[in-house]
This record gives sequence, structure tokens and C-alpha cells, in this order.
Amino acid sequence: GQNIDQPTEMTATEGAIVQINCTYQTSGFNGLFWYQQHAGEAPTFLSYNVLDGLEEKGRFSSFLSRSKGYSYLLLKELQMKDSASYLCAGADSNYQLIWGAGTKLIIKP
Amino acid sequence: GAVVSQHPSRVICKSGTSVKIECRSLDFQATTMFWYRQFPKKSLMLMATSNEGSKATYEQGVEKDKFLINHASLTLSTLTVTSAHPEDSSFYICSAKDGSRVVSGKGPTDTQYFGPGTRLTVL
Repeated sequence: GQNIDQPTEMTATEGAIVQINCTYQTSGFNGLFWYQQHAGEAPTFLSYNVLDGLEEKGRFSSFLSRSKGYSYLLLKELQMKDSASYLCAGADSNYQLIWGAGTKLIIKP
Repeated sequence: GAVVSQHPSRVICKSGTSVKIECRSLDFQATTMFWYRQFPKKSLMLMATSNEGSKATYEQGVEKDKFLINHASLTLSTLTVTSAHPEDSSFYICSAKDGSRVVSGKGPTDTQYFGPGTRLTVL
């Protein structure tokens, strides 16, 4: 079956670095997406990886290892506004997104 | 680019009435749009996939006669919740796929861009 696993909740300190892991099993693979969702709002697109390696975009980076079925989202210099849920989603052979349940990230001062 | 709007943002209605939610891609053509539902503190649940000019594909357990989807143009999809009941109260979110978007070295991304969502409360 198809499945996306990510931690339910993580806590980090303002200014620090946090890594949110995601493992995936999909029927075929057409990329791995990360979205950010603030409470009460719709998800916003953060990153897309389809090749192995690290993609850096400002304070956020995303990594993919296709052989391990593994991705992570790295957030640096954490700010209070980064408190949100982070959704991992894998695209299967039909480009259908398989969604994880999301990781709620709590930032403490 | 890749902006998706959704209207209304919030609606309160009486039980038994029907509610129509519009989803528009503002700066791109979306051959495929998706409708999700999200209950408080729960993950996104895909309800249906909407392709322009054809019938929507509903996920298992989603009643197609209750949740009517129309994707009449490349920029507009509508979801009508018919005979709404309190248990239909939820956050409804649409997304649109920009199939024309290509990232150098990666090919088409098929990224889904989300509308801001519609919070439906059925009394």
C-alpha cells in the first residue's frame, strides 16, 4: 500500500534548527512535496524534490533519498512565525499526491 | 504566480440548504483541480479530483450526489454541498495543478497550489 510517515509533533527553540523527517511508500514515484499549513489556513507550497540531494531555499531546505524512501525538511534560524504544521506528500505514478498527517511544529522563545 | 482563489471564505447555513463553493486559478490554466476536506486538527482528506470537461473522480466514501463538482472551464471548479447537515461542517480547500510549470532539470512539477479554504458551518 501507499503510506507517508512523519512525526506528529515537534518542539524547537526560536533561533535554532529543526529537521522534520518523512518516509514514504508510493506506487511509483514522481516527487516529494513539502507544504506549510498555519492553523485555520490552507497549505502553502514550500518545496519539491524529485532528484536525490538537498534543495536549499532561504532558511528552508529539503532533502530526498529515493533509495531510502526518505525526505526531510530543514528549518534554520527558527522564528515564531514558523510555528505551523508541515505536510509531506509523495506523488505516485499517476501524479496523485499521497499525504502525510502532518507534523505540528511548536516554536518556543 | 500560481494563485488560487476560493469563494466564499466563510459560510454559515441552515441544515437542509445547499452551499456552492467556487475555486478559481487566477494566473494559470488548471486542467485538474482537487477538493479536500479538513476537520479540526486532522489531516487533509481528498474528496475528489476534478478534470476540466469530464466527470469528477470521487474518493471512496465520498457521496457524489451530495458533493456535486463541476469543472466547466480551465480556471473554475465548483463544489456544491447539497442538503447540508451539521456533520458537513468542515474546512473545505481546493487546489489546482499547474501542469505547465516546469523546473529546470526536473521537468513538470505538477505542484498543487491551494486556495485559501472555505469554512462551512451548518446549523
